[in-house]
Amino acid sequence: GNSVTQMEGPVTLSEEAFLTINCTYTATGYPSLFWYVQYPGEGLQLLLKATKADDKGSNKGFEATYRKETTSFHLEKGSVQVSDSAVYFCALENTGNQFYFGTGTSLTVIP
Amino acid sequence: GAGVSQSPSNKVTEKGKDVELRCDPISGHTALYWYRQSLGQGLEFLIYFQGNSAPDKSGLPSDRFSAERTGGSVSTLTIQRTQQEDSAVYLCASSLVIGNSPLHFGNGTRLTVT
Repeated sequence: GNSVTQMEGPVTLSEEAFLTINCTYTATGYPSLFWYVQYPGEGLQLLLKATKADDKGSNKGFEATYRKETTSFHLEKGSVQVSDSAVYFCALENTGNQFYFGTGTSLTVIP
Repeated sequence: GAGVSQSPSNKVTEKGKDVELRCDPISGHTALYWYRQSLGQGLEFLIYFQGNSAPDKSGLPSDRFSAERTGGSVSTLTIQRTQQEDSAVYLCASSLVIGNSPLHFGNGTRLTVT
């Protein structure tokens, strides 16, 4: 089957700290992988995506690399800001046109 | 341009009443999805539409839940005889095409069943 497992939160970091949020997946075939972000009071929005193995998605200083050998898509940012405080969701899309989401990881960045 | 619009943004209802949630997708988006987000939980898939048809209804939690989409546009999610466990945020998302196309989410409808 298809599923996504992501790092449990909440995560609290100081400004300018390095961020990693782990995400691993189980899928048949060749899924596309996504990170979505939900800022306080807002809807989910796409942060970045990767559609095939070894692709790197990047946006707003965040990066994630599609690792087929480890079935992972970890989210990283070198220096977080207070404005990055949000809930982050890892997701995959597979044949059958369904999106499978992780449970979300809450990030709080303190000044 | 306009994003995905959901209404109402908040709904409080009494147990046993029916509720109808509306989603207006981005114009031209053929695929439409409904998810449920409960406190502390991830996104639970409910149903998706390709055009007006729903190939996958497997996520609907019970026969009290139904959804329809007309004109390849607006969709309504109906919950009959609401129960307290139905309390959640109901999210709608649309995408341009099926397959490899990211989802665009609305801000959700927060449903509270008292």
